[in-house]
Amino acid sequence: DAGVIQSPRHEVTEMGQEVTLRCKPISGHNSLFWYRQTMMRGLELLIYFNNNVPIDDSGMPEDRFSAKMPNASFSTLKIQPSEPRDSAVYFCASSLDRERSYEQYFGPGTRLTVT
Amino acid sequence: AQSVTQLDSQVPVFEEAPVELRCNYSSSVSVYLFWYVQYPNQGLQLLLKYLSGSTLVESINGFEAEFNKSQTSFHLRKPSVHISDTAEYFCAVSPYGGSNYKLTFGKGTLLTVNP
Repeated sequence: DAGVIQSPRHEVTEMGQEVTLRCKPISGHNSLFWYRQTMMRGLELLIYFNNNVPIDDSGMPEDRFSAKMPNASFSTLKIQPSEPRDSAVYFCASSLDRERSYEQYFGPGTRLTVT
Repeated sequence: AQSVTQLDSQVPVFEEAPVELRCNYSSSVSVYLFWYVQYPNQGLQLLLKYLSGSTLVESINGFEAEFNKSQTSFHLRKPSVHISDTAEYFCAVSPYGGSNYKLTFGKGTLLTVNP
């Protein structure tokens, strides 16, 4: 079975540019999460979708960040404009349903470098 | 709110030696407990979980963890490690109930198994 798919795996961009990260959750999963991992802050939950609806976006750092889930098989995380402090590894994860949303399956991540 | 402390950031051991990775947590509510493992350049994978019942839980690859409520700990152990166990291990908690998606992760422990 295919796991969570993320693209691109690596992204290098210049400050001020728009960055779009993509995620395809595991088929049949109805919960999706975006995380950010840095050395300083560890793993942080950015946003949680259930049945394509954002349930908790309290972790989104600021208005420069936005996330969408137009259908059950695709989600995007957009940063506009990007800044060097956004450099991190961004993970997408999915879980089977809301009741067991603690059991999350992570993608391989996108390593973002903003210069 | 919850917090997780992993007491060791790095643990080097020799192959076939026993290992213990320590995890303590703080929470004002009841929590589920987890260990996730991250192999190099991959996303996190659920290793084992404690939801209820027996306080000793085991994984398919020989790891075990014991929930100690009085000490608020969930240490991970393996009696004999292999080179392939080299990875970063994350302890995590999530609250019972509707917010069980909110995993709070520790900063991670890098386990390095040397020949």
